[in-house]
Amino acid sequence: DAKTTQPTSMDCAEGRAANLPCNHSTISGNEYVYWYRQIHSQGPQYIIHGLKNNETNEMASLIITEDRKSSTLILPHATLRDTAVYYCIVRPRMDSSYKLIFGSGTRLLVRP
Amino acid sequence: GAVVSQHPSWVICKSGTSVKIECRSLDFQATTMFWYRQFPKQSLMLMATSNEGSKATHEQGVEKDKFLINHASLTLSTLTVTSAHPEDSSFYICSARVRDHEQFFGPGTRLTVL
Repeated sequence: DAKTTQPTSMDCAEGRAANLPCNHSTISGNEYVYWYRQIHSQGPQYIIHGLKNNETNEMASLIITEDRKSSTLILPHATLRDTAVYYCIVRPRMDSSYKLIFGSGTRLLVRP
Repeated sequence: GAVVSQHPSWVICKSGTSVKIECRSLDFQATTMFWYRQFPKQSLMLMATSNEGSKATHEQGVEKDKFLINHASLTLSTLTVTSAHPEDSSFYICSARVRDHEQFFGPGTRLTVL
């Protein structure tokens, strides 16, 4: 079962930053945090992942707390196309199966 | 970026028939592919892991004889839903492992069983 807890839904205004929280209080030292999103009726899309340090790429930033028990995905300037379900997933670093177990995710609505 | 395709994108079949869904990696080779199922307003549920040249590994509760998986080449995995029934109607999504930290997902196949 999923090891993460996310709010069911959130909304933000277009052009503003969207901050999506994820609680993973039982995470162990060798587990990564991944974020994927799924736009309606499409396959999920990889966004970003991290272990300890904060990460940034062209899509988003990932802020992981020092105790690693929670993280926040930041979309710096949300657009209408960012409306989607966002999944936070924890996966062991040395898991050779590479499986991803999806939780219920956060439904983000970006308002015009 | 890596592209994964699925065919067909949607299919309607009669109860009792079998349906095959293809998952292809278009511009890369994938030794490992995954099959998921998603019911309306629910999350993705992992069904099985498909490894090229070997038997698939089905998740607990997923019948391997009902959901047949074949990964005959490094770019193609197929899922066959045998003797489909209305409760098998769902959105089936495949993914392919590109690197250790990335999976690319197909666009999904919507199956409706009448």
